[in-house]
Amino acid sequence: AQTVTQSQPEMSVQEAETVTLSCTYDTSESDYYLFWYKQPPSRQMILVIRQEAYKQQNATENRFSVNFQKAAKSFSLKISDSQLGDAAMYFCASRTASKLTFGTGTRLQVTL
Amino acid sequence: DGGITQSPKYLFRKEGQNVTLSCEQNLNHDAMYWYRQDPGQGLRLIYYSQIVNDFQKGDIAEGYSVSREKKESFPLTVTSAQKNPTAFYLCASTGFYNEQFFGPGTRLTVL
Repeated sequence: AQTVTQSQPEMSVQEAETVTLSCTYDTSESDYYLFWYKQPPSRQMILVIRQEAYKQQNATENRFSVNFQKAAKSFSLKISDSQLGDAAMYFCASRTASKLTFGTGTRLQVTL
Repeated sequence: DGGITQSPKYLFRKEGQNVTLSCEQNLNHDAMYWYRQDPGQGLRLIYYSQIVNDFQKGDIAEGYSVSREKKESFPLTVTSAQKNPTAFYLCASTGFYNEQFFGPGTRLTVL
């Protein structure tokens, strides 16, 4: 069975600063994908970034980047130059052949 | 525009009633999913379908039923057997790069 653990229920960052959200996962599969999703107050789930497990290079998407440590089964999200619009719930997720498993989420607050 | 639509946005159910949540996609995706989200929790998988006329139970299927008669549509029925149905329900489909695209959700409340 897959498990995804987000150990930080809440995080806070000042505008323009950098914040890192943690995620660890456990899977017995060799072929899997990892994702970070953002859920703003509208509750629409928005894909932030995707990482294929077979790729060693960390994914980057504008101000968002990941630190993928495959041996440690760690997949953290770094948000640079934080903006007020980044305030949301962030969910880490792991996908194998047919299922996506989510962590419990980290609520990110962005302060002025 | 391509995407996933869910209706209604808000739904109220009386005790003992069955209700059906609609999910439609025009992304030409084969696989579709239903998730339940409770306050302060992540998403839990109810049912999924990888192809028309086939579907599988997820982690919390009891009290729910689905059908997949068309590629574009994957309705979820919340039956009276579901004892605590008040939650936010999200429908999703899987894209080419294995990412999931989500609909805007349906908020179900039991009166």
